[in-house]
Amino acid sequence: GESVGLHLPTLSVQEGDNSIINCAYSNSASDYFIWYKQESGKGPQFIIDIRSNMDKRQGQRVTVLLNKTVKHLSLQIAATQPGDSAVYFCAENEGSNYKLTFGKGTLLTVNP
Amino acid sequence: KAGVTQTPRYLIKTRGQQVTLSCSPISGHRSVSWYQQTPGQGLQFLFEYFSETQRNKGNFPGRFSGRQFSNSRSEMNVSTLELGDSALYLCASSEGQAHPSGNTIYFGEGSWLTVV
Repeated sequence: GESVGLHLPTLSVQEGDNSIINCAYSNSASDYFIWYKQESGKGPQFIIDIRSNMDKRQGQRVTVLLNKTVKHLSLQIAATQPGDSAVYFCAENEGSNYKLTFGKGTLLTVNP
Repeated sequence: KAGVTQTPRYLIKTRGQQVTLSCSPISGHRSVSWYQQTPGQGLQFLFEYFSETQRNKGNFPGRFSGRQFSNSRSEMNVSTLELGDSALYLCASSEGQAHPSGNTIYFGEGSWLTVV
């Protein structure tokens, strides 16, 4: 399929390593944050979310950390697998608006 | 349960023409949002509909419009197409109630529009 976001920050890791993808958000009023994974030719796939009243949330092999002081979000993927290779986007939302503001994305490449 | 379905998946239009894209949300979802994705600008919010009403709008010109039907299906229209409108157009759906944190926002596979 085609790809979007051709000039992205990239992260290359070895299979089995842990990955950390970072995101700086812009709106101090944002209170809800989501990480999406987008594979080539597909739409964004929900990974994990976090509200601003939390600073950490864990899912299956993934953890999201939120630092509101410096407006920073990170996604940690444990035991990264080749199937994790994709572009990862953070998105922020303010209040009850269903209006996500996306970051530029990070291309994760997992080497076998 | 079927996911968010978008049609057509690929289309080519000529500059100056108009295009209509369709989105069927996940069953039971009443909120439908549209996003434009390009290499230069990334993912940008176009508009969001809930129960046939536009609740939110992004910063796009009036050539971009949308609507939602009583069955929650949505369409977006772009008139007088420009070369810069070439993009992946993504539809997302959620239950749409109260705060988004209680209503996961799911995306479709998108419609690839090429304007020549």
